[in-house]
Amino acid sequence: SAVISQKPSRDICQRGTSLTIQCQVDSQVTMMFWYRQQPGQSLTLIATANQGSEATYESGFVIDKFPISRPNLTFSTLTVSNMSPEDSSIYLCSVDGAGGAFFGQGTRLTVV
Amino acid sequence: GENVEQHPSTLSVQEGDSAVIKCTYSDSASNYFPWYKQELGKRPQLIIDIRSNVGEKKDQRIAVTLNKTAKHFSLHITETQPEDSAVYFCAGYAGGTSYGKLTFGQGTILTVHP
Repeated sequence: SAVISQKPSRDICQRGTSLTIQCQVDSQVTMMFWYRQQPGQSLTLIATANQGSEATYESGFVIDKFPISRPNLTFSTLTVSNMSPEDSSIYLCSVDGAGGAFFGQGTRLTVV
Repeated sequence: GENVEQHPSTLSVQEGDSAVIKCTYSDSASNYFPWYKQELGKRPQLIIDIRSNVGEKKDQRIAVTLNKTAKHFSLHITETQPEDSAVYFCAGYAGGTSYGKLTFGQGTILTVHP
């Protein structure tokens, strides 16, 4: 399976600020996915990021709040903008690999 | 869109017993159903999956069954061990060639007591 690296692994941020999370894959992939896992909850898909096109957002998620970049086939960023304590979650990127979808180690975000 | 319901939310078993987790899905077009194991502080790990053209799949102590008519699928873990303790998530996917756009169930906290 692909090796997926996320940075930062965790951060504590002030409300009203923004944080950009990076996801690097060791092989070229067509689609990358960003998920949110709120404390003690399941995973929810935020958006699908394709190289060379705008990201596709799921219901309840908007580009102004979660802008995504996908400059090439191995890298993507998710920005959490104008953060509030409700944004405290684990954010995970995911890619298709051989026989399934695989996740990065996640970014644990705490907003204070 | 797809809706995946998972039961039970918590499951406690003795070491050596079997554990069964069940999920139902809403979209009859769904054709791929993976199961993930997430240990505390770790990323979700794919442990087994099943596609809609198969009724059952086994991998050592883990098996998954799929009933397309009833739109439900289940994870079976036999001879449970303490290291099986984790949160397990089922997921469903409908259409296309990408496995990454998944709808997850709510999760089951499995505790295996030595």
